[in-house]
Amino acid sequence: DTEVTQTPKHLVMGMTNKKSLKCEQHMGHRAMYWYKQKAKKPPELMFVYSYEKLSINESVPSRFSPECPNSSLLNLHLHALQPEDSALYLCASSQVGRGGRIYEQYFGPGTRLTVT
Amino acid sequence: AQRVTQPEKLLSVFKGAPVELKCNYSYSGSPELFWYVQYSRQRLQLLLRHISRESIKGFTADLNKGETSFHLKKPFAQEEDSAMYYCALRTGRRALTFGSGTRLQVQP
Repeated sequence: DTEVTQTPKHLVMGMTNKKSLKCEQHMGHRAMYWYKQKAKKPPELMFVYSYEKLSINESVPSRFSPECPNSSLLNLHLHALQPEDSALYLCASSQVGRGGRIYEQYFGPGTRLTVT
Repeated sequence: AQRVTQPEKLLSVFKGAPVELKCNYSYSGSPELFWYVQYSRQRLQLLLRHISRESIKGFTADLNKGETSFHLKKPFAQEEDSAMYYCALRTGRRALTFGSGTRLQVQP
């Protein structure tokens, strides 16, 4: 299995809802990432997990809460989002080599989130 | 701070014409540069990385540290090359900084 999968493909939620995005990979990658991509813009890094530990948080609001329950899974828990949070949320993974060297990132297809 | 600049939002060429997608970066350390491509309704995928010096789908890119550039080139564009192309920089941190992207349109 050489793919990163994400569920759901589409999600519509109200501002008071709680929902979760899921990402899974079975390539043995030990680094996993969440990116946010607005329309016609490049992906922007949100979080990085390395060996299931949060290593980078790009000053993301606390209404986004990441979780890495094991080396194959990455979740993004959403609560009290705003309409401006509507975007494509991309998950990615990569190998981690010696000395923390990172290899290329493999991206999932994304979850298109709409906050109403 | 690191930055990646792709000056062209849109590049339109005819089939068979040469293509050059520009990418400039700013980073004080030793960078790793990548080109990612996103075809219509498909996921973002790696096209090239500078350390491997390979040619994929006829595309090549050379890192020029003096000009801090990593331009993507192809001698003869094909219609199937039409896509969004992102230049990305990886620094000491374990993540990528993307340029704003260039949409390549190859017309028949």
